[in-house]
Amino acid sequence: AQTVTQSQPEMSVQEAETVTLSCTYDTSESDYYLFWYKQPPSRQMILVIRQEAYKQQNATENRFSVNFQKAAKSFSLKISDSQLGDAAMYFCASSGMDSSYKLIFGSGTRLLVRP
Amino acid sequence: EADIYQTPRYLVIGTGKKITLECSQTMGHDKMYWYQQDPGMELHLIHYSYGVNSTEKGDLSSESTVSRIRTEHFPLTLESARPSHTSQYLCASRYTKNTEAFFGQGTRLTVV
Repeated sequence: AQTVTQSQPEMSVQEAETVTLSCTYDTSESDYYLFWYKQPPSRQMILVIRQEAYKQQNATENRFSVNFQKAAKSFSLKISDSQLGDAAMYFCASSGMDSSYKLIFGSGTRLLVRP
Repeated sequence: EADIYQTPRYLVIGTGKKITLECSQTMGHDKMYWYQQDPGMELHLIHYSYGVNSTEKGDLSSESTVSRIRTEHFPLTLESARPSHTSQYLCASRYTKNTEAFFGQGTRLTVV
């Protein structure tokens, strides 16, 4: 079974600064996918960034990048030049080769952005 | 914006009532999911579907039931609502294993 752990219930960052959100996972599968999702208050869950486990290169999407350490089963999210609109719950998720394609989520990290 | 819709967005209902939460997607995705989320907390998978006429229970036990008669429609039903069912319910769909899951806006259910 897959598990996903986010050990930071809440993080705070100054606007324009950089913050890193931590995520560790456990899986027995050799191939899997990892995701970071953002859930703004009372709004829809949206994808931030995706990483395929067989790709060694870390994924990047504009101000968002990941540090994927496969051996350590670590998948952290770095947000650069933080903006007020980045304030939200961030969820790390994994998906294996199960044909249901279901996502297993961590407990989330609430990100506060200070103006 | 994803083409997956949930209704109602908010629902306050009395104990013992039967309710159905609607979820529809227009993307033609076979895989659909229901997650339960308490405010500010993690998402727990309660039901999923591989496609039409397929339903499976998720990792978190739930008294709710689901059906999948059409690809685009995946409603969740509670036969007799109780205060312990108060939560947010999120519907999602996914196309392939290497693409993202798309989420609806959620239904916030309060049972009084």
